[in-house]
Amino acid sequence: QQQVKQSPQSLIVQKGGISIINCAYENTAFDYFPWYQQFPGKGPALLIAIRPDVSEKKEGRFTISFNKSAKQFSLHIMDSQPGDSATYFCAARGGGSEKLVFGKGTKLTVNP
Amino acid sequence: DVKVTQSSRYLVKRTGEKVFLECVQDMDHENMFWYRQDPGLGLRLIYFSYDVKMKEKGDIPEGYSVSREKKERFSLILESASTNQTSMYLCASRPQGRAYEQYFGPGTRLTVT
Repeated sequence: QQQVKQSPQSLIVQKGGISIINCAYENTAFDYFPWYQQFPGKGPALLIAIRPDVSEKKEGRFTISFNKSAKQFSLHIMDSQPGDSATYFCAARGGGSEKLVFGKGTKLTVNP
Repeated sequence: DVKVTQSSRYLVKRTGEKVFLECVQDMDHENMFWYRQDPGLGLRLIYFSYDVKMKEKGDIPEGYSVSREKKERFSLILESASTNQTSMYLCASRPQGRAYEQYFGPGTRLTVT
């Protein structure tokens, strides 16, 4: 019950398009849902996070949508740019633990 | 800016060697973590520490140990390196009370031959 399932594993989008990455979880005790962005040769960095009492959070071109009843959340990247090419990880915290549970990652490639 | 540094970016070791990976953070964070990252498997937690001299096993602790003698430093030890420990190792730190806000180092690419 401590898993977070992420899809797709890889994604190719044209410049200016919308990138969508989905995650699903089972443990209803999770209480924070962050997204991390990792560029090649770098460690992951926190991108944006949401709590389950909020249905949507937007920061610039990045939006998290959260569906509590379906136990799903997603990252939308509007007007995708080649500089957004990176690996994205969803994660969840809680369920009786201070640890983060990470999804397996999505490699996003934005073609110019 | 929070800075998490790892002692080596690339490391090549032989099977059976004892390997030390060092991590230092400069923001006085209480919590520190060691992950390994493998293609298709994402980030898997090896060990974490929420205070000096305190440690807890993560999801894949077998074959690893850790040491935290000072608040800013968290070491990962491979007692007898094996080829299946070839991986990218990432250290992270986190302030108390900000459970989702982890700061990662650049990683150490370890190859065991």
